[in-house]
Amino acid sequence: DAGVIQSPRHEVTEMGQEVTLRCKPISGHNSLFWYRQTMMRGLELLIYFNNNVPIDDSGMPEDRFSAKMPNASFSTLKIQPSEPRDSAVYFCASSPPTGGYRPAKNIQYFGAGTRLSVL
Amino acid sequence: KQEVTQIPAALSVPEGENLVLNCSFTDSAIYNLQWFRQDPGKGLTSLLLIQSSQREQTSGRLNASLDKSSGRSTLYIAASQPGDSATYLCAVRPAGFQKLVFGTGTRLLVSP
Repeated sequence: DAGVIQSPRHEVTEMGQEVTLRCKPISGHNSLFWYRQTMMRGLELLIYFNNNVPIDDSGMPEDRFSAKMPNASFSTLKIQPSEPRDSAVYFCASSPPTGGYRPAKNIQYFGAGTRLSVL
Repeated sequence: KQEVTQIPAALSVPEGENLVLNCSFTDSAIYNLQWFRQDPGKGLTSLLLIQSSQREQTSGRLNASLDKSSGRSTLYIAASQPGDSATYLCAVRPAGFQKLVFGTGTRLLVSP
């Protein structure tokens, strides 16, 4: 399996522009997570989906951020308009169904991340 | 609100030393705890997962323990190697949630 695939790996944009980050989860996984990592705040959960449905978006910083999961194999995180303080590494992670009591099923698998720089 | 803290923030040791990384969390109502490794410019790799009912997990030279009642976990690395140099993150999954709450990380440097 190719693992969680994120694109682009690096994004440099100017303040005010729209930015779209993409994620393809591992096939068969039904939960998808978007995280943001900064030096100041570490890794923070932005939003997560279960079976393509947003479950908890309390970490989304403001209305400029939106996330969608139109199907089980694709998700986007959009920032419009972008601001310099949005500069961070954005990670996507997926995990398999958690039915039953099997520890391995609770593991989240992370993509390589998208490094976003907003100038 | 669950908060996760890791100490030390950074650690530098010579090759061959045994070392311990610490993680503490404020709310003992957790489903599990995971230790991750992050290499510069890379994503996170899961190292060990301990369910709330377990006391420890082992994988090769790594051993992770969990004391849920005191809100603590340790990651023990035996016979450290330069290839172990990375940032180590612990994360707890609060009971009733699927999300992870991450600690601040320990940056480890093992010198030859």
